[in-house]
Amino acid sequence: EAGVAQSPRYKIIEKRQSVAFWCNPISGHATLYWYQQILGQGPKLLIQFQNNGVVDDSQLPKDRFSAERLKGVDSTLKIQPAKLEDSAVYLCASSLGLVDTQYFGPGTRLTVL
Amino acid sequence: DQQVKQNSPSLSVQEGRISILNCDYTNSMFDYFLWYKKYPAEGPTFLISISSIKDKNEDGRFTVFLNKSAKHLSLHIVPSQPGDSAVYFCAASRGAGGADGLTFGKGTHLIIQP
Repeated sequence: EAGVAQSPRYKIIEKRQSVAFWCNPISGHATLYWYQQILGQGPKLLIQFQNNGVVDDSQLPKDRFSAERLKGVDSTLKIQPAKLEDSAVYLCASSLGLVDTQYFGPGTRLTVL
Repeated sequence: DQQVKQNSPSLSVQEGRISILNCDYTNSMFDYFLWYKKYPAEGPTFLISISSIKDKNEDGRFTVFLNKSAKHLSLHIVPSQPGDSAVYFCAASRGAGGADGLTFGKGTHLIIQP
């Protein structure tokens, strides 16, 4: 069974630029999560989708971050404009449903200069 | 406000011995606890979990213990093997399996020495 796929794996941008990350969850997984992991910290939940609806986005900085999951499968996370403090690894995870184990992708490492 | 705390940033254990990783939490609403293992440049991998209605769960070499009154859990690895060297994250959720997303600790870097 294929795991959670993410791209790109690495991205370097200048501050104030825009960036987008893509996630393809495990086939059949209805729930999708985006986490931000800053160096030396544990992952922090940004947004959670159930199919194509948002379950929780309370920790998403909505002035600059946006996410969508059209058709309830793939998802994109966008940052516009980026700040230096957005440098982190962005992890996507998926689970079969709301009460199932989350499986993580390899992450996208973002560096903002 | 850190709701899940792993107070040991690193731990060094000899191969074959027991590794004990500790985790404390402050939110009494947490109902489900998980341990994830992470290698460099990879995403976290699920290891083992425990519901708040239990005090112990075993899976092969891995055992998780939960002390609800102390708001403390620990992961025991016996015997420790070189491949166990990784960062271990403790995570908690208010729902079974992580229904509301997971709250993670900062991680403990476990080093298994030959």
